[in-house]
Amino acid sequence: KNEVEQSPQNLTAQEGEFITINCSYSVGISALHWLQQHPGGGIVSLFMLSSGKKKHGRLIATINIQEKHSSLHITASHPRDSAVYICAAGETSGSRLTFGEGTQLTVNP
Amino acid sequence: SQTIHQWPATLVQPVGSPLSLECTVEGTSNPNLYWYRQAAGRGLQLLFYSVGIGQISSEVPQNLSASRPQDRQFILSSKKLLLSDSGFYLCAWSVRHRNTGELFFGEGSRLTVL
Repeated sequence: KNEVEQSPQNLTAQEGEFITINCSYSVGISALHWLQQHPGGGIVSLFMLSSGKKKHGRLIATINIQEKHSSLHITASHPRDSAVYICAAGETSGSRLTFGEGTQLTVNP
Repeated sequence: SQTIHQWPATLVQPVGSPLSLECTVEGTSNPNLYWYRQAAGRGLQLLFYSVGIGQISSEVPQNLSASRPQDRQFILSSKKLLLSDSGFYLCAWSVRHRNTGELFFGEGSRLTVL
């Protein structure tokens, strides 16, 4: 069993739909990261959170420390949101992060 | 603003040949630096991280090595590549001495070993 598990592995949605990607972890953490990997391979950090909820534009990330679970939500999804979304759990610094295998999101027009 | 540059973007090398991937960060000082590898269909794996010049920590024993000759320069090397070294290599940095671990990634280097 992986220490960080994401679901679903693949997700296809229609433009405008509300998207939820889930992340469960079994390690003790000080921070949970959500990353976005574009088709070309480049990775962008979306959120780093240790409690509660963060919002940036149409993206919302939540974390429940007691349940060791985090979710990434995308409201009013758009084809440009198509990417791989990666959850990573671990220490605040990047030196002890454990990565999930990613969720491939495809948003069709 | 801070930027991170990584090169080359694509590399095709024969088995047994050497490797050098370079990463530089601009616009910040004393960053933590990281090398990650992403094998096909797999998650990111931390290879090396550095908290300062000449300070390298290795996470996974292998035939790769890393060096940090300058504060904002991080180099990934191999003397003899193996087929299993193929993958997508990402350099990243984060701010040191702050309660934030947000990672900033380079564009990646895709290595194919034939």
